[in-house]
Amino acid sequence: RKEVEQDPGPFNVPEGATVAFNCTYSNSASQSFFWYRQDCRKEPKLLMSVYSSGNEDGRFTAQLNRASQYISLLIRDSKLSDSATYLCVVTPAQDMRFGAGTRLTVKP
Amino acid sequence: DAGVIQSPRHEVTEMGQEVTLRCKPISGHNSLFWYRQTMMRGLELLIYFNNNVPIDDSGMPEDRFSAKMPNASFSTLKIQPSEPRDSAVYFCASSFTGAKNIQYFGAGTRLSVL
Repeated sequence: RKEVEQDPGPFNVPEGATVAFNCTYSNSASQSFFWYRQDCRKEPKLLMSVYSSGNEDGRFTAQLNRASQYISLLIRDSKLSDSATYLCVVTPAQDMRFGAGTRLTVKP
Repeated sequence: DAGVIQSPRHEVTEMGQEVTLRCKPISGHNSLFWYRQTMMRGLELLIYFNNNVPIDDSGMPEDRFSAKMPNASFSTLKIQPSEPRDSAVYFCASSFTGAKNIQYFGAGTRLSVL
């Protein structure tokens, strides 16, 4: 079993749609959780941290369920510029474990 | 802030040649990570250093790969001899322990081994 598993995608949605990505992790000792965004042929960049109480950053909402070892990312009112690959990231120790990523394409 | 700097950005070489990838982490960061990314395998952690000391090299594919961090501002990843299956994008990332270990990535080196 992979340490971090994500919806394989790809997700193709129209502008303005709401889309949700899910991620599960296997190491219950994991302490920190993140979503990274990777544009085509670019490096991964931090999108947002994920807190137990859930957190929101504009159109983006992240949630963590420690009991189920589950992380989610919700994007509301999607824009063309949201097209990218979204990587779920879990930190069991000093290093980070990345999911394989979910590819999102937002179409006009 | 300069960010993580990697060189070269692109490298094309022939099978059997030695390849050296370079990385300068963000000043003040004390952890450095080398990753490899391919379409088939996604982002794989190869090795990481903490305070210039290798902590986990279990992701290094085989003895042809080696990494060094002689000081806090420089690291290299060497492949000798290179093979076509080593073709990938190699990313370097750095972080500061205590800042939730958030990693910041360099722009990557795109390696093609012919």
